[in-house]
Amino acid sequence: KQEVTQIPAALSVPEGENLVLNCSFTDSAIYNLQWFRQDPGKGLTSLLLIQSSQREQTSGRLNASLDKSSGRSTLYIAASQPGDSATYLCAVTTSGGSQGNLIFGKGTKLSVKP
Amino acid sequence: ETGVTQTPRHLVMGMTNKKSLKCEQHLGHNAMYWYKQSAKKPLELMFVYNFKEQTENNSVPSRFSPECPNSSHLFLHLHTLQPEDSALYLCASSPDMGQLIYGYTFGSGTRLTVV
Repeated sequence: KQEVTQIPAALSVPEGENLVLNCSFTDSAIYNLQWFRQDPGKGLTSLLLIQSSQREQTSGRLNASLDKSSGRSTLYIAASQPGDSATYLCAVTTSGGSQGNLIFGKGTKLSVKP
Repeated sequence: ETGVTQTPRHLVMGMTNKKSLKCEQHLGHNAMYWYKQSAKKPLELMFVYNFKEQTENNSVPSRFSPECPNSSHLFLHLHTLQPEDSALYLCASSPDMGQLIYGYTFGSGTRLTVV
């Protein structure tokens, strides 16, 4: 059974810091991994999608890496801003299971202080 | 907007009411999903539709009734809900269940409060 773990559960940093969010998964047989952002009470916004054959994806100040063999992904946020405050969710796409194909972690709640 | 639109954004209903949540996507996707997100809990998959056919019902109580009239629209009909059903209900879509290399697109959700 695929399980996704995100560490830390919460993170508070001062504005301008570079930071790393971690995601790990137990079964390396994935099709892809997605990082989402969720603002309080809102839906999910897809940030980056990494295919299983890829090592990393970049979008602006965000860089996501994937090490499928070790079951790990990181989301790197450069020069953090207060507007980056949100919960960041990692999810892997697998080929089935009781929770469907998309398995989520519990998220990392990020707070960037001005 | 992500391409997946959910209405209403907020809904307050009594336990004896009947209401429906609507989800619409014009991304050309053929798979649509309902997820429930309760406070401080991870997202829970409720239903999956692929090419209008329900492929998964994740042991959801019958007071939640999904409907998928076509690949672009998905409804969740609600009746005789309980206060513990209060949550954020999220709709998502993907190209289809057979193309798992593509990601999922989520809507903004409907915040449901049952009183």
